[in-house]
Amino acid sequence: EAQVTQNPRYLITVTGKKLTVTCSQNMNHEYMSWYRQDPGLGLRQIYYSMNVEVTDKGDVPEGYKVSRKEKRNFPLILESPSPNQTSLYFCASSSLGTGGRETQYFGPGTRLLVL
Amino acid sequence: GDSVTQMEGPVTLSEEAFLTINCTYTATGYPSLFWYVQYPGEGLQLLLKATKADDKGSNKGFEATYRKETTSFHLEKGSVQVSDSAVYFCALSGGDYKLSFGAGTTVTVRA
Repeated sequence: EAQVTQNPRYLITVTGKKLTVTCSQNMNHEYMSWYRQDPGLGLRQIYYSMNVEVTDKGDVPEGYKVSRKEKRNFPLILESPSPNQTSLYFCASSSLGTGGRETQYFGPGTRLLVL
Repeated sequence: GDSVTQMEGPVTLSEEAFLTINCTYTATGYPSLFWYVQYPGEGLQLLLKATKADDKGSNKGFEATYRKETTSFHLEKGSVQVSDSAVYFCALSGGDYKLSFGAGTTVTVRA
């Protein structure tokens, strides 16, 4: 089954304690992206990757890091989480084809609470 | 930059009522337009899309037409069901693969 998986699904942590949210896709997609969802703001892009070892900032990258060492995995790293990073996070992937017309496939989400 | 504005919710309807969710966009060039749906406790899934002007996307009884002259992509369904209760997001892609989302509209359908 084609899917994007994220782990963990729920996480409660404290300010300053480094954490990693994993994302994996089994569709051989080149493009992967992280979004955060906040009430009234929709989803905003944090980072994206066009392929292995190619990453770039989205609209709200402050406080986050990513890496793309393998095509299927795109972990999101919070080196020193703060309460304003409490949010619902989604990973997404798509193929690269005709300039943005492709459907993006989303993971189930990770709900993060930073105390 | 690219942006999407969709009608604020929440929207509450009775079963078999007509649903419209307005969506307008600002973008340079010719973006692709999408409606994504988020059911309670789940991730987003594509509902429908349109990639050029005058295209109509349709799925599960929902429809939306890409109107370049009014920069709109309104979502409609003629007869909603309780199972249509969800959050609906309008989004656009300007060719760089990044999706720009509206704020989302929560729809509740009562039996």
